[in-house]
Parts: sequence; C-alpha cells; structure tokens
Amino acid sequence: NAGVTQTPKFQVLKTGQSMTLQCAQDMNHEYMSWYRQDPGMGLRLIHYSVGAGITDQGEVPNGYNVSRSTTEDFPLRLLSAAPSQTSVYFCASSYSGLYPTDTQYFGPGTRLTVL
Amino acid sequence: DQQVKQNSPSLSVQEGRISILNCDYTNSMFDYFLWYKKYPAEGPTFLISISSIKDKNEDGRFTVFLNKSAKHLSLHIVPSQPGDSAVYFCAASSILTGGGNKLTFGTGTQLKVEL
Repeated sequence: NAGVTQTPKFQVLKTGQSMTLQCAQDMNHEYMSWYRQDPGMGLRLIHYSVGAGITDQGEVPNGYNVSRSTTEDFPLRLLSAAPSQTSVYFCASSYSGLYPTDTQYFGPGTRLTVL
Repeated sequence: DQQVKQNSPSLSVQEGRISILNCDYTNSMFDYFLWYKKYPAEGPTFLISISSIKDKNEDGRFTVFLNKSAKHLSLHIVPSQPGDSAVYFCAASSILTGGGNKLTFGTGTQLKVEL
C-alpha cells in the first residue's frame, strides 16, 4: 500500500494563478480531509469529505474548493492564489471518520509558495 | 483562539533520559486526545492517544497522561532515543456536524535527543 500520496511536493505560484493539489489514498478510506500548516500555528482543517460525492467546509475554507468524485481521490483547488495561501498542505484519510479512534493517516505534504 | 496549546516550542534531552512534552487545552468538550510525531518533509504520524475516561495510556516507551481537571496532558518518552528527535503535535478530536472527525492541533514541540 502506498498510503496517502500527494502531488506535487513543491509548487510556486504567482498571485492570481490557479492550481490543483492532488491527494490519493489506496486504503479504501471513506473519510478524507485537507489541513494547512503555518508557522506558529497548528494544522488547521480546510475541507473534509465523509465519502464520494459529499464534501463540507472546515475551519479555514475560504479560497479553496474541493470535490470527491471517487473514494480514492480528494483534490484541493485554489482558484485564484493569494500570498496568504503560502503554506504546507497535508491531506489525511481515515476509515470512516465517524469515531475519534479512527486513526487519521497523513500524506507527506505539498509546500506551496504564492508570490 | 488556540484551543490546544503547546507552550514549549523546543525541548532537548540526553539519550536514555525521560522526555516530557506538555499540552494544555481550553475546550472542556474535547474528550479524545492524540499525539502525532512529524519528521521533516513527512506528514504527521499517529503515536498514541487517550480517551477522557482514562488518565493514563501506555504503549512501549510512550505514555500519555491526562489531567481533566487541569485540562492538561503530557507525553512521556522513556528512555529517549536519537530517533525520537522530531516535532510532536498534541491534538484533540471532535466530531463535525456533517460527520467526520476534526483534529485540533497544538503548535508542536521540537524534541532533540542528544547523544
């Protein structure tokens, strides 16, 4: 099993450009989520999905879109990048997300810089 | 408003000694807590957890203690090894209104275990 994979590892964008951060998991997990990590702050939840076709907003959703057309994939879209979106982005998945005991597995992260 | 706080950004201990990492929380609704470990350029990996119905959970060299009245938890690593050098995140789990499981993270403590 590859676990949770994320591409790209690094990305530099100019303000106003758009891009999609890819996330995939091969563990047949229903629950997937996106977090961002900024200096001096803990990881914060952006969007999450409890299954294919279902998504919802987390703590810091503004400026980001998501969709979940398959169980395996959960891409994160930046429609018009802003310098405030410079961050490290982590995708995570767990079996159901219904219980606190469902361990969440994180991908290796994407480091995004917006100039 | 940081609901999960790790007030020590860094900690240095000698190999073989005990490492104690501390975490405080403010939301009394939190009832499940986790510790994640993170190496550079990798995603966080689950280490150990504790439910609020317990005050201690042990897994090998790692023990987590929970003091509900003080809203405080700590991670003890005994004996500390150089491979334990990493950033340790404390997190609290809460169930989202749309289903799904949100982790609220602290800012992390960088542990360095010296020879």
